[in-house]
Amino acid sequence: GAVVSQHPSWVICKSGTSVKIECRSLDFQATTMFWYRQFPKQSLMLMATSNEGSKATYEQGVEKDKFLINHASLTLSTLTVTSAHPEDSSFYICSARDRQGSGLGGYTFGSGTRLTVV
Amino acid sequence: QKEVEQNSGPLSVPEGAIASLNCTYSDRGSQSFFWYRQYSGKSPELIMSIYSNGDKEDGRFTAQLNKASQYVSLLIRDSQPSDSATYLCAVNVDSNYQLIWGAGTKLIIKP
Repeated sequence: GAVVSQHPSWVICKSGTSVKIECRSLDFQATTMFWYRQFPKQSLMLMATSNEGSKATYEQGVEKDKFLINHASLTLSTLTVTSAHPEDSSFYICSARDRQGSGLGGYTFGSGTRLTVV
Repeated sequence: QKEVEQNSGPLSVPEGAIASLNCTYSDRGSQSFFWYRQYSGKSPELIMSIYSNGDKEDGRFTAQLNKASQYVSLLIRDSQPSDSATYLCAVNVDSNYQLIWGAGTKLIIKP
C-alpha cells in the first residue's frame, strides 16, 4: 500500500535554530500534502495544505514565515520550523493524498516527528 | 463553521464486548467519512472509510453512516486490549480534500 516516509522521527534543538522535517511518498505521487501539529491529548490541528508546484495554503493563525513548506516534487514535501522556540515543541505529522486517491481513503500519514525545543 | 464532534471519553469496555463510537458532523455536503485509530505517540492509522449510507463491515469493524441524521459510528466487535487507543473521526467536505477532524474518543478495553 501507499507509504509516506517521515524523517526525523524525533529531534531536539536549541531555541533559535531551525529544523527541517521531510515527508516522502515512496510508491505513489503525492499531489496534495497536509501538515498537522498535535499537542498532547489534543486532536490534529491542520497547519497548511500544499499542492505540488504551488505555494502552500496556511490555516488561520499559522505563521507562514515561521513554518516554511516546500512541495517541489510529487514525492517530497518539507516543513521547516524557523527560529524555533519552546512553544513550537509538538508532534508534527504529514499526510499525503495520492494522485488517484486510491486506497481506503486516499490519505496516507507519515509516522510523525516529535520536536522538542530546549 | 464546519465541525465534527465526538465524545472525548474515556469509553471503557470489557474485553470481548462491542465498543460503539459515535461522531456527528455539521456540514450536510460532507462526502467522505473516515475512522482513524491513534496510539499514544504515534500517527493516525486508517481503520475504515465510508461514503454512502448504511453499514460497511471489515473484520471486527463496522462503520455506519446516516447522512440524514448527520452521524457516523464505528462498532468494534470482540474488543481486544490492543484496541485501546484514541479513535478519530474525520470528514471530507470540500474539493481540496481537506479533512475536518473530531477531537477523538479514548477507548479503554479492560481485560
